[in-house]
Amino acid sequence: QVQLVQSGAEVKKPGASVKVSCKASGYTFINHGITWVRQAPGQGLEWLGWISGYDGNTNYAQKVQGRVTLTTDTSTTTVYMELRSLRSDDTAVYYCARDRGSYYPPPPGDAFDIWGQGTMVTVSS
Amino acid sequence: DIQMTQSPSSLSASVGDRVTITCRASQGISNSLAWYQQKPGKAPKLLLYAASRFESGVPSRFSGSGSGTDYTLTISSLQPEDFATYYCQQYYSTPPYTFGQGTKLEIK
Repeated sequence: QVQLVQSGAEVKKPGASVKVSCKASGYTFINHGITWVRQAPGQGLEWLGWISGYDGNTNYAQKVQGRVTLTTDTSTTTVYMELRSLRSDDTAVYYCARDRGSYYPPPPGDAFDIWGQGTMVTVSS
Repeated sequence: DIQMTQSPSSLSASVGDRVTITCRASQGISNSLAWYQQKPGKAPKLLLYAASRFESGVPSRFSGSGSGTDYTLTISSLQPEDFATYYCQQYYSTPPYTFGQGTKLEIK
């Protein structure tokens, strides 16, 4: 079945980096984009960035621009999110989510129909 | 960036009630709007996209409407499993594709 499986929880110190993976399966990887969303404890959802499964084209939220990098490995159908210079307010559950529409190539801008299970990233000294 | 203002932020209702949640965009978004349901400790679940189109498997008691800047999610007869937090999200034109702040639906 279609699913996104994320890597496990991380605990990092301020200033460190974290790299979270999102393994896609059950669909044609290059026909969909993947978006990353985070949710701080007790808070709402925040859009972080998007990557095309077709060509790795990216868009990032201004709030994390310069600290975040999204990459894909089409051979393993895995998407990665790296966040650098971590701060305490980066503590959150990080989700990857699949764009609903199937396009070749996929554009940004869609609802998200499949979500990963979430990865808790804790930043603490 | 397009701002999404969702109301109310919380809502108490009883099983069987009809409830409506609204979402207002800071500019027109041409029905590029999705609604999600999130339960504690779980990932969000897509309910509706393109403002009013059902995602597969979503019960028909959920419905969406609206146009331009104003959109609504209606649950016609609340069931016990519907008590959750609901988010709207716009995906119009260029990123970022922002979410509303959420509506927590609680049992009265």
